[in-house]
Amino acid sequence: GDSVTQTEGPVTLSEGTSLTVNCSYETKQYPTLFWYVQYPGEGPQLLFKVPKANEKGSNRGFEATYNKEATSFHLQKASVQESDSAVYYCALGDSGSWQLIFGSGTQLTVMP
Amino acid sequence: NTKITQSPRYLILGRANKSLECEQHLGHNAMYWYKQSAEKPPELMFLYNLKQLIRNETVPSRFIPECPDSSKLLLHISAVDPEDSAVYFCASSQRDWGVANTGQLYFGEGSKLTVL
Repeated sequence: GDSVTQTEGPVTLSEGTSLTVNCSYETKQYPTLFWYVQYPGEGPQLLFKVPKANEKGSNRGFEATYNKEATSFHLQKASVQESDSAVYYCALGDSGSWQLIFGSGTQLTVMP
Repeated sequence: NTKITQSPRYLILGRANKSLECEQHLGHNAMYWYKQSAEKPPELMFLYNLKQLIRNETVPSRFIPECPDSSKLLLHISAVDPEDSAVYFCASSQRDWGVANTGQLYFGEGSKLTVL
């Protein structure tokens, strides 16, 4: 079945440093890939999605490239801020599944 | 987020019955209940897609969903168990005809259930 594996957390960084959260997936379909972010006390919210292979998604300085050959969708940001502290989820959706498949989540803490 | 409202936001129960309520103001045609236990990703419990119920077969039978209309969703819980302590999120999306699952999910703020 479909699955998503992402960087085990937690990740602690200093402001201004770079972030990479690894995400890999398995599916026999042609998925849309998502990154969701969840702040404390809130529901997850979409950061961005990429429906097509070899395309890049981005929002608020975060970006990820849908790499079909490597089955990866790593999240990157060049310079993190304290306000980026949250849990980040990689997710997969396709026409063969009736639910989004979430990764385990990566807790990011950014120190001032 | 006032586009999806959930109530109550917090509840503490012994072995009682309770209902969670959700309403979405986005005009979406699919609604979901998710359970999120501490430090875990959201786990789908139920999906109403065009009023058709799809159930996660691992969900205990004491959880009963109800979809009175396309914008409202209820979750009835009978005889709660300590393992039910979690945050329950309602979500909605606009799904393509059939089961295509490429759309964005919008989540409410959750109802935090604590079972004594």
